Amino acid sequence: GDSVTQTEGLVTLTEGLPVMLNCTYQTAYSTFLFWYVQHLNEAPKLLLKSSTDNKRTEHQGFHATLHKSSSSFHLQKSSAQLSDSALYYCALSDRTGGADRLTFGKGTQLIIQP
Amino acid sequence: EAAVTQSPRNKVTVTGGNVTLSCRQTNSHNYMYWYRQDTGHGLRLIHYSYGAGNLQIGDVPDGYKATRTTQEDFFLLLELASPSQTSLYFCASRQINNQAPLFGEGTRLSVL
Repeated sequence: GDSVTQTEGLVTLTEGLPVMLNCTYQTAYSTFLFWYVQHLNEAPKLLLKSSTDNKRTEHQGFHATLHKSSSSFHLQKSSAQLSDSALYYCALSDRTGGADRLTFGKGTQLIIQP
Repeated sequence: EAAVTQSPRNKVTVTGGNVTLSCRQTNSHNYMYWYRQDTGHGLRLIHYSYGAGNLQIGDVPDGYKATRTTQEDFFLLLELASPSQTSLYFCASRQINNQAPLFGEGTRLSVL
């Protein structure tokens, strides 16, 4: 079945350094990929989405490029900020059995230190 | 403004208890989803639906029933709650598969 694999567990970075959170996926269907961000005690919120191969998408300083050849959709930011500390999810949307489902990875907890 | 509303926000029950979690969306979305969130497991899909009367099974359906009574309302039922069902539950909705789902604020359930 479909699956999403993210950078495992906890990533701790110093403010100002670049961020890269990995996401790879497996699916037999047409592909929409999403990155969600969840701050403490809040609901997940959309950060980025893409379905176009090799096209960079950007929002709020983050960017990601969907590469269908390698089944990847890594999240990047050039310079981390303290406010980027949050839980990040990569998610895959597809049509399985005629209904549109959304499968999430296990999440990556990002902590930015001063 | 698009919204997904969950109730209750917090719930405590005992093992073997009967619990219903409610979700309402006023966005005219076709799709609604129930997820549970647990540390180390992320968001896992329990059940979902693409319209009133429709139900699709997700990845972790055991111990859960769901019912979509109207376009707006999607319920998650735990008929014999167990401590393993202690979790944070999220409802989400969207129109079609290229849209990002909008999430509710979550329901924290504790089964003692």
